Formats: sequence, structure tokens, C-alpha cells
Amino acid sequence: GAGVSQTPSNKVTEKGKYVELRCDPISGHTALYWYRQSLGQGPEFLIYFQGTGAADDSGLPNDRFFAVRPEGSVSTLKIQRTERGDSAVYLCASSWEEGSPLHFGNGTRLTVT
Amino acid sequence: EDKVVQSPLSLVVHEGDTVTLNCSYEVTNFRSLLWYKQEKKAPTFLFMLTSSGIEKKSGRLSSILDKKELFSILNITATQTGDSAVYLCAVTTSGTYKYIFGTGTRLKVLA
Repeated sequence: GAGVSQTPSNKVTEKGKYVELRCDPISGHTALYWYRQSLGQGPEFLIYFQGTGAADDSGLPNDRFFAVRPEGSVSTLKIQRTERGDSAVYLCASSWEEGSPLHFGNGTRLTVT
Repeated sequence: EDKVVQSPLSLVVHEGDTVTLNCSYEVTNFRSLLWYKQEKKAPTFLFMLTSSGIEKKSGRLSSILDKKELFSILNITATQTGDSAVYLCAVTTSGTYKYIFGTGTRLKVLA
């Protein structure tokens, strides 16, 4: 595609529910990144993939967060037992290869009530 | 712990002014530094810097890196209202390709 696509653009869920956030990277980009951004803060690293494998998942805050990229293209970020503190904009980015500039999607705004 | 610090946190100027935004970093095994502009949603890429002292320029924007003093600056000359945005700095290190972002500088340009 022309750019990184994230769906949904907005998600409101109740505390304790499970959510999935989807990212469709730029075609041909091998690296895919997930970030979380709270109001007034810079993007906080969560995880990145090189191909199908998670190359660095050191930013995942706890075991409620999990991400997959089974075919090396689309990725899904999964959050179990959501908490109000998970409310943020979740940004996905892709790059041609590791170390090249990131291209961001418009994000998914997650609100946990 | 690796960290990236940006200053000032916010800035208000008038059209035509020149601004300088700062990004300092403390990381092990520095690889590169990137600047992004974030208006409403997706940050958009501006510059990538890997070598000290070499200025990158694009129109009214320019940036330079000092690897000895561990900082970079982003200059915007003849500012316009369309330059109003949050400017983010990010650093990558050897060993992992994750990008560590600063908090950003919020720039507002008044007409």
C-alpha cells in the first residue's frame, strides 16, 4: 500500500476486555515496529519485528501485551485484560530494513473505560 | 539506561522567526539520530544523522549532529504557521534497531 495502515482508528473498550490492533505496513518493508504514545509524551517503544520474528520485545510492559506477525507483513498487537492505564495512541511503523527511517501509521486511539 | 532529552519542551514564536531545537542523548553504542515532525497523528521523517559535523538541509530546515558532545540541533529559519507541530528526536543504537524517542518539542508559530 501507499502508507502504513492501522485499524481501527479508534477503539473504546471496557476494563478487563481483550483487544486486537492491526497494522498493515508499506509493501516490501521488512521491519515493523509498535509504539505507544500518551498525551504530551514521545512514542514509547514496545516491540519490533524483522520479518516474522520479534527481534526486540523489551518494551512490552507486561505479559498482557503480545504481538504477532505470522507472514512477515501484517501485524497484530493483542492486549488482554485491559486496564485504564493502557489508554493511549498505539502507533505502528515500518521501515525498508533495520536501521532505516521509520514510516508511521496514523495510530489507533485506545480508550479503556 | 538509554535516554533522549529534548529542549525546550515548548516554544511560541512569530512567523519569520528562526528557532533552534535541541536533542541530547545518553546511550551506549550510538548508531544514528533521527528527527520527526508530528502534526496531528503520524510522525513524518525529516532527517537521519550518523556523522558529526555534516549538516543535513531541506528547504528552511537543517540539522547537525555532535557525537562528541552527544547532541543534535534542528534549525528552522523564516518560520511559518505550517511549521507548528511537535518535533521528535529519536536515537538508535548498535545491537538493537529500536528507536528511542524524546518527549518532543511543541512549536507554535503565530501569524
